[in-house]
Amino acid sequence: RKEVEQDPGPFNVPEGATVAFNCTYSNSASQSFFWYRQDCRKEPKLLMSVYSSGNEDGRFTAQLNRASQYISLLIRDSKLSDSATYLCVVRFPSGGYNKLIFGAGTRLAVHP
Amino acid sequence: GAGVSQSPSNKVTEKGKDVELRCDPISGHTALYWYRQSLGQGLEFLIYFQGNSAPDKSGLPSDRFSAERTGGSVSTLTIQRTQQEDSAVYLCASSFTGTAGELFFGEGSRLTVL
Repeated sequence: RKEVEQDPGPFNVPEGATVAFNCTYSNSASQSFFWYRQDCRKEPKLLMSVYSSGNEDGRFTAQLNRASQYISLLIRDSKLSDSATYLCVVRFPSGGYNKLIFGAGTRLAVHP
Repeated sequence: GAGVSQSPSNKVTEKGKDVELRCDPISGHTALYWYRQSLGQGLEFLIYFQGNSAPDKSGLPSDRFSAERTGGSVSTLTIQRTQQEDSAVYLCASSFTGTAGELFFGEGSRLTVL
């Protein structure tokens, strides 16, 4: 089983739609969780951290469910500019280090 | 700018040759990571440096891969006797701390092995 798993998509949605991505992780000792965004042929950039109580940043809402070991990202009122790949990232202790593992990403395409 | 700088941005080499990829992290960042990303794939962890501690090399795919970080700043990833399957974008990232900080990525070094 992969350490971090995501539905690869693509999710094709019209402008204004609400779309949700899920991500599951295998290590119950995972400590920190993030969503990164990667535009085509560009480097990943932090979208938002995910906190235990859930958090919102404008149209974006992130949730964490430790019991079921998954995190989610909800995007409301999708914009064309939201088209990108969304990477789930998990940090967990391993061998005395804190490993930061990326999921393979979920591709979102927003169309007019 | 003051972001993470990687060089070369593109490298084409012949199978069997050695390559060196360089990463200059953001000044003051103690943590430095190397990942690689094949076309259409996710990021594969390679190696992680944190301050003066021994690096986490658990992601290096073979003994042809090595990396060092001199003076806690610039890092070099070396691939010896390159193979075609080494073709990928090699991404370097740094963060202020190794535990909770945001990762800042460079634009990557695109390696093509013919």
